[in-house]
Amino acid sequence: GAGVSQSPSNKVTEKGKDVELRCDPISGHTALYWYRQSLGQGLEFLIYFQGNSAPDKSGLPSDRFSAERTGGSVSTLTIQRTQQEDSAVYLCASSLSLAGGGNEQFFGPGTRLTVL
Amino acid sequence: AQSVAQPEDQVNVAEGNPLTVKCTYSVSGNPYLFWYVQYPNRGLQFLLKYITGDNLVKGSYGFEAEFNKSQTSFHLKKPSALVSDSALYFCAVSSYTGGFKTIFGAGTRLFVKA
Repeated sequence: GAGVSQSPSNKVTEKGKDVELRCDPISGHTALYWYRQSLGQGLEFLIYFQGNSAPDKSGLPSDRFSAERTGGSVSTLTIQRTQQEDSAVYLCASSLSLAGGGNEQFFGPGTRLTVL
Repeated sequence: AQSVAQPEDQVNVAEGNPLTVKCTYSVSGNPYLFWYVQYPNRGLQFLLKYITGDNLVKGSYGFEAEFNKSQTSFHLKKPSALVSDSALYFCAVSSYTGGFKTIFGAGTRLFVKA
């Protein structure tokens, strides 16, 4: 079956522009996660969804970042007024459910964002 | 605060020798511990996890990890390393304390030399 897909794979934008990153989770996975991986760094947890709900937005780096998930499937991560420090690889993952926290996450290939 | 530490940026080992990649964690409540691997130009892949039960868990590609509650460690091991094991390894902990969160370590790069 298909894995987690993300689009675009690469995005180059100019400082101050808005960008939208898309994630298609594995069919049937109710939990969805967004991470940011900066060059040479580990993964920074941004936000998770259980169904369409995102109970905790505190991991988002600033109010320029927002995320939504509709229909319990596709999710978009939007970054408004991009800054150079937003340059990173944005990873999406999904898991069967969040229940118990013990489900492994399946990762997409990531979107490499470069802000000039 | 929850945290995961991978004290070694890089581990070098000769092919055929045993390997260990270290991970320690700090979390309130019961942790769920994971190891993931990132091969060059490929996405992160799940290796193994500890939820409860037997402290020694076995995973993909011959890897195993031992959960040690008293030392708050979850070291990744393999009895005999392969060149193809060369990759970036991440330890992660999930917890519900204070709201659900998954914390990843900074990663350890493993080089296996032929």
